[in-house]
Amino acid sequence: EDKVVQSPLSLVVHEGDTVTLNCSYEVTNFRSLLWYKQEKKAPTFLFMLTSSGIEKKSGRLSSILDKKELFSILNITATQTGDSAVYLCALLMDSNYQLIWGAGTKLIIKP
Amino acid sequence: EAQVTQNPRYLITVTGKKLTVTCSQNMNHEYMSWYRQDPGLGLRQIYYSMNVEVTDKGDVPEGYKVSRKEKRNFPLILESPSPNQTSLYFCASSPGGAPYGPLHFGNGTRLTVT
Repeated sequence: EDKVVQSPLSLVVHEGDTVTLNCSYEVTNFRSLLWYKQEKKAPTFLFMLTSSGIEKKSGRLSSILDKKELFSILNITATQTGDSAVYLCALLMDSNYQLIWGAGTKLIIKP
Repeated sequence: EAQVTQNPRYLITVTGKKLTVTCSQNMNHEYMSWYRQDPGLGLRQIYYSMNVEVTDKGDVPEGYKVSRKEKRNFPLILESPSPNQTSLYFCASSPGGAPYGPLHFGNGTRLTVT
């Protein structure tokens, strides 16, 4: 069965720390991997990754995909309290264009 | 402003009383989808639609109905709600007939069925 596993489930760090969130998958033939940030309401898009080894970057956030080892990481440097959220990872399947979602990582940044 | 609008934001109802959650998008997107989100389970797809009059079941369609009579609207219907349908519901849309790119989400509907 196709599966997406995010780790850790939750994480508490202090402002200024760097965090690495992991998204592992047991999926073959996917089209892209997406990261979303969910604060109190709707998920908002962060990154879409299609090729292995190419880092996507946006300010203090970056993400990379490793298709050989079957995972992606989301890095946040110099964390701020506004980074507190649930971070979701999803894979877009090649066969039926459906999304398979991980359960998310809840990140709490303490001032 | 480009957006996906869901209504209502909060809904408390009783078992068996039919309800509809509306979803409307103003971006001319072909693809629309409904998800439910429960603690520890992430987002699970209920139904999706690749275009007008084309709908299909997602992972958890039991107890739900949808319709897509026009491109902008994709209502979710619970004919006879039960307590296990208490959840946070999201509507989402994407250009193209499939979620090739990022989804645009509505702000969610928190449903409680007693």
